[in-house]
Amino acid sequence: GAVVSQHPSRVICKSGTSVKIECRSLDFQATTMFWYRQFPKKSLMLMATSNEGSKATYEQGVEKDKFLINHASLTLSTLTVTSAHPEDSSFYICSARDPRAGTSGDYEQYFGPGTRLTVT
Amino acid sequence: AQKITQTQPGMFVQEKEAVTLDCTYDTSDPSYGLFWYKQPSSGEMIFLIYQGSYDQQNATEGRYSLNFQKARKSANLVISASQLGDSAMYFCAMGGAGSYQLTFGKGTKLSVIP
Repeated sequence: GAVVSQHPSRVICKSGTSVKIECRSLDFQATTMFWYRQFPKKSLMLMATSNEGSKATYEQGVEKDKFLINHASLTLSTLTVTSAHPEDSSFYICSARDPRAGTSGDYEQYFGPGTRLTVT
Repeated sequence: AQKITQTQPGMFVQEKEAVTLDCTYDTSDPSYGLFWYKQPSSGEMIFLIYQGSYDQQNATEGRYSLNFQKARKSANLVISASQLGDSAMYFCAMGGAGSYQLTFGKGTKLSVIP
């Protein structure tokens, strides 16, 4: 099946620094990618929808100046957490929509393995 | 707006027994898709099964089956012959018409007892 990678898998950074997380679709072109955030023992919360070549659409309550999303190519979307603080520590997961509708029809998407961010 | 409700924070099941994880949903979209994902402690989201709103038959994938009751707006996951490796968080999710994004429930933590 389709594969989505995320890099890095784990990152520890100091408060005030910025961190970039990459999400790549390895064997298909993803016109749409999604970024989710998951706190410990909680559900996935959609942060933003990223469309190739256009500005990301952020969910209500998500600071777009803090969580910068760039979808520069059909296989790569990046999430940059700017001026990170301890409260930004979380598990960030991306998913990529495969336009070649498969068993899940129009909703066919694949998740990356996630990035665990710890801000000290 | 779409909403997914999973009312079981945690479930226990004896190895080799079957277990049902509950999921109800709410949507005004006539067309939608329902998903179940497994999330082990490693964090990866593993796709288990999909049910389209217009599918006449309940979806099945190996030991997983989805009990889809459209009138009741429920999409329960049934795992047959539970294995120790089934211990994980399970999330029900929904995608609505015109939007490819998924809305997730709060999840159910399943523990399989030897």
